[in-house]
Amino acid sequence: EIVLTQSPDFQSVTPKEKVTITCRASQSIGSSLHWYQQKPDQSPKLLIKFASQSFSGVPSRFSGSGYGTDFTLTINSLEAEDAATYYCHQSSYFPWTFGQGTKVEIK
Amino acid sequence: EVHLVESGGRLVQPGGSLRLSCAASGFIFGNYWMSWVRQAPGKGLEWVANIKEDGSEKYYVDSLKGRFTISRDNAKNSLYLQMNSLRPEDTAVYYCARTHDGWPFDYWGQGTRVTVSS
Repeated sequence: EIVLTQSPDFQSVTPKEKVTITCRASQSIGSSLHWYQQKPDQSPKLLIKFASQSFSGVPSRFSGSGYGTDFTLTINSLEAEDAATYYCHQSSYFPWTFGQGTKVEIK
Repeated sequence: EVHLVESGGRLVQPGGSLRLSCAASGFIFGNYWMSWVRQAPGKGLEWVANIKEDGSEKYYVDSLKGRFTISRDNAKNSLYLQMNSLRPEDTAVYYCARTHDGWPFDYWGQGTRVTVSS
C-alpha cells in the first residue's frame, strides 16, 4: 500500500499569505497525485489533478507541482474562504489512498 | 451539470446489513468508473471501492473485502454498496464519487450517514 504523508497537519495563516502543503508518497506514483479541498460539513472538491492540472472552475491562486514521490499544493494570496482541510490522493496503485489531511485555519 | 445523490444511510445494529444507493445524472453514467469513499466522524477520507464502467472489474480496500460489495445498474444510472456484517468502526459518511481508470474523483455526492451502534 502506498502511504501518503502530508505536512504540516495544521497551519494557521493570515489572509493574503502564501500557503504550501506537501505530500510525500512512500514510493513513486508518477503524476497520479490529486488534491482536494473539504470545508466543514461539505463534500470534498477536486482542486488539482495529475499533480499540476487545475480542475475546471478552481481559482488560479491554487496550483500544484511535483512528480514521483514529492508533491506540493500552493495557495497564493490566501482568502478567508480557503479555510478548509486539504487532502492529497494517489490513483496510481490499488488500494487508492489519501493523505491524512492538512487543516488550514485563517488567523 | 453532474449530480450524485446518495441515500440509504441510517442507524443499524452491529452485525446488520445495509444497501446504499447513489443516483447519477448530468453525464453518461455508463462511460465512467464509479467509487465509494467514506469518512469516519472527525477523521480523514478512506477509499472503499471502485467499479468499472460495465461492472466487469471491481476493486476494494483490503480491510473490507468480503463484507462490502459494489455494484451498478447503468440502465438506472445508479451505483450501490451492499454492506454486510457491519461493525461500529464502519460508522461514517459514505460518499459516491465519479472517477475513471487512474483518474481523480472529479465529482462527489453530498454523502449519506451510516451509524453502526446498538
